[in-house]
Amino acid sequence: AQRVTQPEKLLSVFKGAPVELKCNYSYSGSPELFWYVQYSRQRLQLLLRHISRESIKGFTADLNKGETSFHLKKPFAQEEDSAMYYCALAPLYGNKLVFGAGTILRVKS
Amino acid sequence: GAGVSQSPSNKVTEKGKDVELRCDPISGHTALYWYRQRLGQGLEFLIYFQGNSAPDKSGLPSDRFSAERTGESVSTLTIQRTQQEDSAVYLCASSTQTGIGNTIYFGEGSWLTVV
Repeated sequence: AQRVTQPEKLLSVFKGAPVELKCNYSYSGSPELFWYVQYSRQRLQLLLRHISRESIKGFTADLNKGETSFHLKKPFAQEEDSAMYYCALAPLYGNKLVFGAGTILRVKS
Repeated sequence: GAGVSQSPSNKVTEKGKDVELRCDPISGHTALYWYRQRLGQGLEFLIYFQGNSAPDKSGLPSDRFSAERTGESVSTLTIQRTQQEDSAVYLCASSTQTGIGNTIYFGEGSWLTVV
């Protein structure tokens, strides 16, 4: 069965501090992993996906198949990064995105 | 509009009543998804439509839940005989394709409160 675990409901950091939002998954095949973000009063939107190997808004995420993790990282947090972040998994040729419970990131000034 | 549109944005209903939630996907998007998010929980997959293929209904929690889609356009999620545990945000999303490279776009959600 597919499962995504985000162990932290809330992560609070100071502006300029490094950020790491944890995501672990379980899936027997080769998954595609995503991070979605929801800013206050906005709709849920794609932040990045592992297959693109890109950095968006300073965030990166590396798929670690050995540890079955896809942690989201940013070296220096900014106040505008405050939002709800969801990790999600889809089968490589599938259609069903499975989401974690989400982590609220609060960046304090 | 350019995005996924959902209505109503908020709905308060009495226990036992039926509700209908509507989703207008982005024009040209063949894939349409419904998710549910209960307070403090992750997004729960409900149902998926792709073109003219049979929908994937594997996430529907009970036979009180059903969804229809007309061609590649509007979808309606119906909840019959609502219960308090149905209170949640119901999110609709659409995409042009599935699998690698897929990006799904979400609506703002319909907040359902069953009292």
